[in-house]
Amino acid sequence: SQQGEEDPQALSIQEGENATMNCSYKTSINNLQWYRQNSGRGLVHLILIRSNEREKHSGRLRVTLDTSKKSSSLLITASRAADTASYFCATDQNTGGFKTIFGAGTRLFVKA
Amino acid sequence: EPEVTQTPSHQVTQMGQEVILRCVPISNHLYFYWYRQILGQKVEFLVSFYNNEISEKSEIFDDQFSVERPDGSNFTLKIRSTKLEDSAMYFCASNVAGRGEQFFGPGTRLTVL
Repeated sequence: SQQGEEDPQALSIQEGENATMNCSYKTSINNLQWYRQNSGRGLVHLILIRSNEREKHSGRLRVTLDTSKKSSSLLITASRAADTASYFCATDQNTGGFKTIFGAGTRLFVKA
Repeated sequence: EPEVTQTPSHQVTQMGQEVILRCVPISNHLYFYWYRQILGQKVEFLVSFYNNEISEKSEIFDDQFSVERPDGSNFTLKIRSTKLEDSAMYFCASNVAGRGEQFFGPGTRLTVL
C-alpha cells in the first residue's frame, strides 16, 4: 500500500456546499500538508499541520490530524467553482533526511 | 513574487537518449527536490538535495538518474538513458527549511518515444 492515500478519489459538489477529503498515512511524520493542483500544473501549498497539532484553520480551509489513526481531513467550506482542482496530502517523513510523500489525490469538481 | 522556474516546458526524446531537466529554485532557498507525476497519477518523490549532496532518494531514483547544482542558481535532473516509462511531468521544488511548505515549479513534460 502507498503512503498518504486520499479518499474519495473524486468528488463532485454544487457551489456553496462543503467538500471533505480524507488522507491516511502509514509511518511516523513530522508534519502533514495539503496541496492543490490545477489540471497538469504545479502544486500550490495550502496548509500545514504539525504532528503535535490536531486542528488548523486558514480562511475557508480546515484541517484535522489524528496521529493515533494516522489520518487527516481537509474541509473546504462554501465551495466555489474556482476550487475545482486536485487536492493532495503530503507527509514529511521522520527520516534522517528530507523526504515528502504525496498521496494519490482527490479530484474535486465544483459545479456552478 | 519569487517563483521556481523550469525549462524546458516540454521535452521530447528518443528512448535511450540522455535528457537534462533544468530548474531555477527561489534564490534564498537551501533545499531542493525533484518529483515526477505520470499522467493522472500521484506525485512521486524522486530526490532531495541539500548542502550540495543528496539528502534522500526514492527507489525510483536509480543509477540512471543524477542531480547537480552546477552553479549558484540552477538545479538539474539528468536521466542518462531514457525509457518509455520515464514519460511523465517532472516537478522541481524548493524551500528554506527542509520541512514544510515547498514551492513548486510549473513542471517539464517529458515524452519518451
